[in-house]
Amino acid sequence: NAGVTQTPKFRVLKTGQSMTLLCAQDMNHEYMYWYRQDPGMGLRLIHYSVGEGTTAKGEVPDGYNVSRLKKQNFLLGLESAAPSQTSVYFCASSSPGTGGNEQYFGPGTRLTVT
Amino acid sequence: AQKITQTQPGMFVQEKEAVTLDCTYDTSDQSYGLFWYKQPSSGEMIFLIYQGSYDEQNATEGRYSLNFQKARKSANLVISASQLGDSAMYFCAMRVLTSGSRLTFGEGTQLTVNP
Repeated sequence: NAGVTQTPKFRVLKTGQSMTLLCAQDMNHEYMYWYRQDPGMGLRLIHYSVGEGTTAKGEVPDGYNVSRLKKQNFLLGLESAAPSQTSVYFCASSSPGTGGNEQYFGPGTRLTVT
Repeated sequence: AQKITQTQPGMFVQEKEAVTLDCTYDTSDQSYGLFWYKQPSSGEMIFLIYQGSYDEQNATEGRYSLNFQKARKSANLVISASQLGDSAMYFCAMRVLTSGSRLTFGEGTQLTVNP
């Protein structure tokens, strides 16, 4: 049981390049999330999904796109990377419900855009 | 809109002492959940404790307890008997059940435990 995994762990991009970050979870969770964490700050939600085939915008969606073609995978795309997108990206998943079902986080992807 | 405020950028505590990390929140929703996560220097996010808005008792998990004061909209984390391994960044977060159970995070408190 791997939990939430993210690929890649590190990446350096030049301005204008594109890339896709892959998140996979093996806990059969309905909900998945992408956050970014900038130095000295908390996590901010980029996009999220409440089920296969659905996505929605979070706090900071500009410059990113997402897709959830399979329940276990959530992809985050940067079409034209900018230095402002240098950050650590976290994926998370959770089950729906009203209890203390926490979000499980992946290990993070450190992205640098030069 | 939801907001989490953590007013202590950094805190220091002596090993074996207790420490309280402050968290206040703002929401117009009646049903919500409050979470604390720990982020050590290695970067992973570790879930510590949860408090539901309708829970009458304060949550406890081992050395962690949550001092929930609903009228004051505060959800402070208390760590008892601090250990060197508790040195980390601590985040308070709120979940509102509308909008896909998304979490809103505070900016965090860096806790340093001194030997």
